[in-house]
Amino acid sequence: AQTVTQSQPEMSVQEAETVTLSCTYDTSESDYYLFWYKQPPSRQMILVIRQEAYKQQNATENRFSVNFQKAAKSFSLKISDSQLGDAAMYFCAYRRSVNGGSNYKLTFGKGTLLTVNP
Amino acid sequence: EAQVTQNPRYLITVTGKKLTVTCSQNMNHEYMSWYRQDPGLGLRQIYYSMNVEVTDKGDVPEGYKVSRKEKRNFPLILESPSPNQTSLYFCASSPYGGAEDTQYFGPGTRLTVL
Repeated sequence: AQTVTQSQPEMSVQEAETVTLSCTYDTSESDYYLFWYKQPPSRQMILVIRQEAYKQQNATENRFSVNFQKAAKSFSLKISDSQLGDAAMYFCAYRRSVNGGSNYKLTFGKGTLLTVNP
Repeated sequence: EAQVTQNPRYLITVTGKKLTVTCSQNMNHEYMSWYRQDPGLGLRQIYYSMNVEVTDKGDVPEGYKVSRKEKRNFPLILESPSPNQTSLYFCASSPYGGAEDTQYFGPGTRLTVL
């Protein structure tokens, strides 16, 4: 079974600075999808960024980018120019690329709580 | 507006009193699922549904039931709630559930079982 590990329960960053959140995962598969979700105090789950394992290029969405190291099974999220609105719980998630009902679930890490200091 | 809605958003109940948390999506998605979120555990899948009348267990199905009689609705039923079901619940949907699909989450339901 796949597992996702976020080793940093909490992180903090100064406004306008850059922060990197870590995520590692365990899988024996060669193709899969990885995601970062943001959960602000409103508790809504918001997709931040996704990465397809067969794509070597790291995904980027505005101030958010990932460092995807497939061999190391590492998928870190970098937030540049941090803003107060970035404060949230961040979850790393894995999904298989194989079709079929049970394969469509997201396997989540335990989350990293990010605080942004003004 | 495309969205997944859940009701109620907050619920406090007592042990053994049957309850239903509703989930509805207006995007004509075939795949729907329920997750629970607990501190230090992340989100875990409870049940999922590939289409109308097609449901199956996720990782933590004990104590829950679901039904999918209409494409847009996927209620979560707790027939005899217990305190260990106190949690934050999320409904999610995606077009077909395929690997390339993006899952859309509802706003969450905070359930407390006393």
